[in-house]
Amino acid sequence: TQLLEQSPQFLSIQEGENLTVYCNSSSVFSSLQWYRQEPGEGPVLLVTVVTGGEVKKLKRLTFQFGDARKDSSLHITAAQPGDTGLYLCAGGNAGGTSYGKLTFGQGTILTVHP
Amino acid sequence: NAGVTQTPKFRILKIGQSMTLQCTQDMNHNYMYWYRQDPGMGLKLIYYSVGAGITDKGEVPNGYNVSRSTTEDFPLRLELAAPSQTSVYFCASSGASDTGELFFGEGSRLTVL
Repeated sequence: TQLLEQSPQFLSIQEGENLTVYCNSSSVFSSLQWYRQEPGEGPVLLVTVVTGGEVKKLKRLTFQFGDARKDSSLHITAAQPGDTGLYLCAGGNAGGTSYGKLTFGQGTILTVHP
Repeated sequence: NAGVTQTPKFRILKIGQSMTLQCTQDMNHNYMYWYRQDPGMGLKLIYYSVGAGITDKGEVPNGYNVSRSTTEDFPLRLELAAPSQTSVYFCASSGASDTGELFFGEGSRLTVL
């Protein structure tokens, strides 16, 4: 069974601060997705990374896939209250009987105070 | 822009009762999934389907059943509700395997008393 460990589980910061969320595994994944979830809604995809060492930027969010494809990080620069939410990483495997099934981390609850 | 629609949004059940959570998608996706979300536990896969008539167990299938008679619909059945099934349930669909994006419904909050 593949596992993804996210840290920290909770993060409470002031507007304008920077933060990093980590997603680690002992297993190799073919791809790593990051989702954001707001209360009362389902998760929404932010980004997919598929190549070891890949870095993707989405405005103030920077996503990195580890060289060995066992870990990933999400960095937010100058956090804003609108960034508040639950962030989930999810690992996927290619081919065979993967059928798009994802393994999710436990999630990081981010609260950004004005 | 319907996407994935789940009903009901909230439900309270007594121990031993049965119910069905409905899920329908209008994106013509082949792959559909049911996840449950518990605090601090992320999302756990219950069942999934790769097309009409084909379903398979996920990580936590005990106490649940599914069917997939059409591409659009993927209902989740709880036969004998137990307190351990108190959770938020999410249905999702995907148009591609491997790196395909999962599109989620808004969730169904189930409480078993």
